[in-house]
Amino acid sequence: RKEVEQDPGPFNVPEGATVAFNCTYSNSASQSFFWYRQDCRKEPKLLMSVYSSGNEDGRFTAQLNRASQYISLLIRDSKLSDSATYLCVVPWPTGANNLFFGTGTRLTVIP
Amino acid sequence: EPEVTQTPSHQVTQMGQEVILRCVPISNHLYFYWYRQILGQKVEFLVSFYNNEISEKSEIFDDQFSVERPDGSNFTLKIRSTKLEDSAMYFCASSGSDDLLFFGSGTQLSVL
Repeated sequence: RKEVEQDPGPFNVPEGATVAFNCTYSNSASQSFFWYRQDCRKEPKLLMSVYSSGNEDGRFTAQLNRASQYISLLIRDSKLSDSATYLCVVPWPTGANNLFFGTGTRLTVIP
Repeated sequence: EPEVTQTPSHQVTQMGQEVILRCVPISNHLYFYWYRQILGQKVEFLVSFYNNEISEKSEIFDDQFSVERPDGSNFTLKIRSTKLEDSAMYFCASSGSDDLLFFGSGTQLSVL
């Protein structure tokens, strides 16, 4: 089983839609989780961190299900500027902040 | 807003040549990293660095790779003898005590 698995998409949604991405991870000992956003040929940028059951920041909600070992990201009221690749990131619990990145889910918000 | 800076933004080199990629982490951060992303693939961990030594490295980070923090601000990645398959975007990152990683804008390395 891969460390981090994501549905690669692409997801094409109209403006204003709600879209959700899921991610599964293999190491049950992982304690913290992240969603990063990456625009084409740019660096990953931290979107949200998730340490407990979930986190909400404006239109973005991240949820964690430890029993099933998956993390989700919900985007409400999608904007054109939300078009990007969303990366699920899980630190490997070795104490050295080694991050495992998923392959990313490509989102395109259509006018 | 503090940021991680990387130079150069693009580097073209001949196979077998040595390259040094440079990074200036965020000033109060203590942990430093190199990641790479081959075009169309996922971001991959190379190495982490703390307290002037390597904390962890991946299988990718073989004897051809080395890292150094030559002074109080720079963090470098050296590839001794580049191969075609080293062509990728190389991202430097740093973090503080909160474990949140912030990435630089990357160096696109092209090995010909």
